[in-house]
Amino acid sequence: EAGVTQFPSHSVIEKGQTVTLRCDPISGHDNLYWYRRVMGKEIKFLLHFVKESKQDESGMPNNRFLAERTGGTYSTLKVQPAELEDSGVYFCASSQPTGYSEKLFFGSGTQLSVL
Amino acid sequence: GQNIDQPTEMTATEGAIVQINCTYQTSGFNGLFWYQQHAGEAPTFLSYNVLDGLEEKGRFSSFLSRSKGYSYLLLKELQMKDSASYLCAVRDNTGKLIFGQGTTLQVKP
Repeated sequence: EAGVTQFPSHSVIEKGQTVTLRCDPISGHDNLYWYRRVMGKEIKFLLHFVKESKQDESGMPNNRFLAERTGGTYSTLKVQPAELEDSGVYFCASSQPTGYSEKLFFGSGTQLSVL
Repeated sequence: GQNIDQPTEMTATEGAIVQINCTYQTSGFNGLFWYQQHAGEAPTFLSYNVLDGLEEKGRFSSFLSRSKGYSYLLLKELQMKDSASYLCAVRDNTGKLIFGQGTTLQVKP
């Protein structure tokens, strides 16, 4: 079974540019999450999709971040325009809803560097 | 606020036992997870505790005390491949996972 895949694995862009990150969850997983780890800090929640609907986007930093999940399959996270503080590792995770014991399967992350 | 504390780094010897502690203060509690993450790779699930006590799974065990807001991950018979970051995470009352900063474990020969 294929795991969660993220693309690209690394992205280096200049401040003010736009970047789009992609996540392909495990097939059949309704839940999809985006998390971010800024250097030296803990992994932090950004948002949660259930199928194509945004269930919780309370962790999104500001309106420069836009997440979509068309058709309830893969998801994209767009940062426009990127700022220096957006640098970090962006993780995607997916799961099947099984209650509070639900375990998340993570991708390897996208390392974003904004120069 | 929400806070999860774990040591930043630990070092142990191959074949030994190591205990990684985690204390938490969160808005609600719906279980505690431990994940392992090798450098550049995806975090992978190790264990889940929701009731007090010890959960054993091979060389790894995880303990929880809800009254103390405390958990530990115990790794026995350490192997070089156990060198990794270990992440403690609590599911809060909104269902989100709240992570600690992670403990980088270095296993030496």
